[in-house]
Amino acid sequence: EPEVTQTPSHQVTQMGQEVILRCVPISNHLYFYWYRQILGQKVEFLVSFYNNEISEKSEIFDDQFSVERPDGSNFTLKIRSTKLEDSAMYFCATLHDGKNTEAFFGQGTRLTVV
Amino acid sequence: GDSVTQMEGPVTLSEEAFLTINCTYTATGYPSLFWYVQYPGEGLQLLLKATKADDKGSNKGFEATYRKETTSFHLEKGSVQVSDSAVYFCALSVKETSGSRLTFGEGTQLTVNP
Repeated sequence: EPEVTQTPSHQVTQMGQEVILRCVPISNHLYFYWYRQILGQKVEFLVSFYNNEISEKSEIFDDQFSVERPDGSNFTLKIRSTKLEDSAMYFCATLHDGKNTEAFFGQGTRLTVV
Repeated sequence: GDSVTQMEGPVTLSEEAFLTINCTYTATGYPSLFWYVQYPGEGLQLLLKATKADDKGSNKGFEATYRKETTSFHLEKGSVQVSDSAVYFCALSVKETSGSRLTFGEGTQLTVNP
């Protein structure tokens, strides 16, 4: 069964450092999303990406965040200058097309900012 | 804005007990409704979904019915197993207004004891 793959599974970084979280979507999927889950809280939408551009972003997704699909395969989330409150589980999700409402999630990257 | 409210957890049951996890929603459009499950150490997996009023989603013995009149999508299972221990998330998506991004509830931790 096709799956969404995220790397790394766990990243520890110092406050102020840049991190890049990577996601390999299912090959024929066209819509890509990042969500995050702070420990003990609900899963929150960050950003959606379609046709090589951001289609929607939440208020959480401020200037320190960026996404791109640099090589037509990986879908990355970059946090430029990490803060303690960025510590969370980050999930990538992909969707085949606009008519199919089922999103497939990766296993997540646990980011710990120290 | 869109929101999902789940019953507070954690929920602890004995094997073969009946399970209900309540979920209610508010949405600006006509949502599709989902239950996702997160097993320990894994990502989010779609458990079941319903895309219109009175639809019943079902999978692995779990069921949920889309009730527009009560804006609810309660999850039920007649006889739980130890292997059902996981976190369950209710979610909605309104394609017309949010590009199929998901809005999640808080999650309910279910523990089933032998």
